[in-house]
Amino acid sequence: EIVLTQSPGTLSLSPGERAALSCRASQSVSATYLAWYQQRPGRAPRLLIYSASNRAAGIPDRFSGSGSGTDFTLTISRLEPEDFAVYYCQQYVSTPFTFGPGTKVDI
Amino acid sequence: QLRLQESGPGLVKPSETLSVTCTVSGDAINNYYWSWIRQPPGKGLEWIGYVYYSGSTHYNPSLKSRVTISVDRSRDQFSLKLNSVTAADTAVYYCVRHRYGLSWFDPWGPGTLVTVSS
Repeated sequence: EIVLTQSPGTLSLSPGERAALSCRASQSVSATYLAWYQQRPGRAPRLLIYSASNRAAGIPDRFSGSGSGTDFTLTISRLEPEDFAVYYCQQYVSTPFTFGPGTKVDI
Repeated sequence: QLRLQESGPGLVKPSETLSVTCTVSGDAINNYYWSWIRQPPGKGLEWIGYVYYSGSTHYNPSLKSRVTISVDRSRDQFSLKLNSVTAADTAVYYCVRHRYGLSWFDPWGPGTLVTVSS
């Protein structure tokens, strides 16, 4: 099973600031098989990024993803109030599909 | 626009079987993979398993001995059964679609909370 580690656990920032969230895999997942999700309180997760760097439909361009192999980054260029949420990375290179523990972005 | 909606009992007694159904609307259930994912209150996400529209399945080894996922194409539904539940199975259960066997999950249903308690 591939283990994903996310850092930091919590990121305290202000609107307008830049956020950089890290996801590290216990083995290579290549760039094709890594996704990012956003979960707001009381809501289901929603897909932000797939294949490490491709924005899902309707996702603002302030969200961007990068990385390959075992190290990946989700960047939010300028935080909007609605971006304060928990972010999860997920690998789908092999089953069982696994998620990281999440990074909470709060004010 | 594809919509997923989970339905479940809300409360299940320990040692009994948890059953949750996902109804798919706005697109066909054919040609896609359908997964169940759960999230205990205040915790992270765990993939439970998937069913292909043809009926083939693949489960998380951590739950495989207790899980059955099935599809009913005539009703555009797929279902999860988890037997011998304990309090550790208390979670929000989400249904999701993925285009391929190895693929991202999109969209997600709103989720249904199932509590295991006597």
